[in-house]
Amino acid sequence: AQTVTQSQPEMSVQEAETVTLSCTYDTSESDYYLFWYKQPPSRQMILVIRQEAYKQQNATENRFSVNFQKAAKSFSLKISDSQLGDAAMYFCAYRRVIQGAQKLVFGQGTRLTINP
Amino acid sequence: NAGVMQNPRHLVRRRGQEARLRCSPMKGHSHVYWYRQLPEEGLKFMVYLQKENIIDESGMPKERFSAEFPKEGPSILRIQQVVRGDSAAYFCASSPTYNSPLHFGNGTRLTVT
Repeated sequence: AQTVTQSQPEMSVQEAETVTLSCTYDTSESDYYLFWYKQPPSRQMILVIRQEAYKQQNATENRFSVNFQKAAKSFSLKISDSQLGDAAMYFCAYRRVIQGAQKLVFGQGTRLTINP
Repeated sequence: NAGVMQNPRHLVRRRGQEARLRCSPMKGHSHVYWYRQLPEEGLKFMVYLQKENIIDESGMPKERFSAEFPKEGPSILRIQQVVRGDSAAYFCASSPTYNSPLHFGNGTRLTVT
């Protein structure tokens, strides 16, 4: 079964600095998607960035980028120039599609604090 | 284009009562998913439905929980005879096709007293 592990329950960073959140996953599939979601106190699940496993190039969205290491099954999120609004829970997720049905498998989350 | 709408946002039920959670998918989306988030945990898949059909309910508890997505109207997640362990945030998501990215609602927080 696919599992997703986020080994950092909490992280903190100074405003304007860079922080990296870790995620590893386990799968025997070769084609899949990986996601990072942000969940602020409002509880909304916001898609931050996604990566397709067959693409070697790391995805980037403005200040957010990933380091996707397929062989190591690692998918870390880097946030550059951290802002106070980045404070939230961050969840890594793996998407599997079986027999026409997709499921997201989420990690336990990392709580990110931004220090002014 | 309104996002995925869930209501109520907060729901309080006493043990033994029934809870009904509603989800209206985004316009044009016929695929609906329900996830549950226990405190301090990630979301866990419960059920996947298309219009009038349950496609995958492998994450649903075998008893007391049911879901539907009728031809007309919102998807409903129903929990009968709630217990304290049902207290959680329940999220609905929708997509236009079975493999398109999911769009999440803001969740319903269920508290069982």
